[in-house]
Amino acid sequence: DSGVTQTPKHLITATGQRVTLRCSPRSGDLSVYWYQQSLDQGLQFLIHYYNGEERAKGNILERFSAQQFPDLHSELNLSSLELGDSALYFCASSVDPSGDPTDTQYFGPGTRLTVL
Amino acid sequence: GQSLEQPSEVTAVEGAIVQINCTYQTSGFYGLSWYQQHDGGAPTFLSYNALDGLEETGRFSSFLSRSDSYGYLLLQELQMKDSASYFCAAHPMNSGGYQKVTFGTGTKLQVIP
Repeated sequence: DSGVTQTPKHLITATGQRVTLRCSPRSGDLSVYWYQQSLDQGLQFLIHYYNGEERAKGNILERFSAQQFPDLHSELNLSSLELGDSALYFCASSVDPSGDPTDTQYFGPGTRLTVL
Repeated sequence: GQSLEQPSEVTAVEGAIVQINCTYQTSGFYGLSWYQQHDGGAPTFLSYNALDGLEETGRFSSFLSRSDSYGYLLLQELQMKDSASYFCAAHPMNSGGYQKVTFGTGTKLQVIP
C-alpha cells in the first residue's frame, strides 16, 4: 500500500458524459501527478500539481482538466468522453515540487475508466 | 518531442540475469528512471540515473550512457515475483524548470522455472 488513494476503483460510463476522478496523496506529500495508461498509448504523463498550483503539463487533452484543493487532494475531470478515453488513470504523489525523479513518486491503485 | 523504445517482451529463467534495454530520443534530457508494474497493479519506482554509469540497488542495477542515448535495467538472481512489466522513463526539463516525464513502451518480463 503506497498511501495514495484513488476513487472510484472502476467507472463505466457512456460517450459524451463527464466524470471526476479523485486522488488523495500520501500524508505530507504536496505534489500530485496524473497519468493515463491505455493499451495502445502506454503510460502517459498528464499533469503535475504542487500545493494547489499547476507545475507541468504533458499530453493532456483540452477536454480534461485537473485541480488540487487546499487539503491537497486532487481531481481529474474528463468531459465529452470518447471511446478512446477508456484507460487506467493513475495518480502519484511526492514531496518534492520540482518533479525531480530522485524524489520518489508513489502511485495510487488507479481508476479503471470504461467508456461505452 | 520524446520517444523511448524498449523490447516488448523478454523471457528469462529463474535465478538467471536479464537486461532490459531502453533507447531514447529526447531534447533537454535530464535523467532516466525505471518503474516496475505487476499486472493489475500500480507502477513502482525502481531506480534513477542522472549521470552516466551504473546504479545498483540490491538485485537491480540501472545503467545510462548519454552519448549513446541508451540505458538498461539489469535484474540479477531472477525470482518468479519479478515477472512484471518494466518501464523506462525520461525526465526532460520543461521551460519552467519542472520536469515532464515520458514513459517508454514497456517490457513484459516473464520469469520461467
